[in-house]
Amino acid sequence: ETGVTQTPRHLVMGMTNKKSLKCEQHLGHNAMYWYKQSAKKPLELMFVYSLEERVENNSVPSRFSPECPNSSHLFLHLHTLQPEDSALYLCASSQGTGIGYEQYFGPGTRLTVT
Amino acid sequence: TQLLEQSPQFLSIQEGENLTVYCNSSSVFSSLQWYRQEPGEGPVLLVTVVTGGEVKKLKRLTFQFGDARKDSSLHITAAQPGDTGLYLCAAWSNTGNQFYFGTGTSLTVIP
Repeated sequence: ETGVTQTPRHLVMGMTNKKSLKCEQHLGHNAMYWYKQSAKKPLELMFVYSLEERVENNSVPSRFSPECPNSSHLFLHLHTLQPEDSALYLCASSQGTGIGYEQYFGPGTRLTVT
Repeated sequence: TQLLEQSPQFLSIQEGENLTVYCNSSSVFSSLQWYRQEPGEGPVLLVTVVTGGEVKKLKRLTFQFGDARKDSSLHITAAQPGDTGLYLCAAWSNTGNQFYFGTGTSLTVIP
């Protein structure tokens, strides 16, 4: 496997379910990100981890809970989601954070909340 | 308020035509990037521009960063069906601690 992988690619869950999204990067990068892409909004940065420590949390509801156990893996734990949380969730990684670092994106998980 | 406004939002053209996509803001950015996203995939970086007035070329694609580092354009010459996708600009704030994506331009090139 190369680059950034995400599983599952598609997920349908009810509002009372608990599920997790997984992201793995094989690039030796030190930073990982979660983004949300909805139909009518620009890509929104949700969380940033650098060297396994969270460095950015853009006012994301607590029903989204990130976890970064090591620099290669990133999870997004989901519970009691709302229908408006349906979106494409993208993971990305980069060598470092800040100006000039290129982000490499995974293919995303298409989430539908029913 | 959208920090990075792209125009047009949708564009459908015939193969062989030229087009320009714009990315505008009232804020100054330290650097700006352009990505292309194809259906079912994540965005892929095309270019990074860092100097006001900078022009970069990538085959048939020409990118320009405005002199004041508040705007950018992407010009495609002789568009091909393979250029179809969502084009996104993105930029780091001047302080370097916030990263924003633009509203996106969905391009369809008809064979």
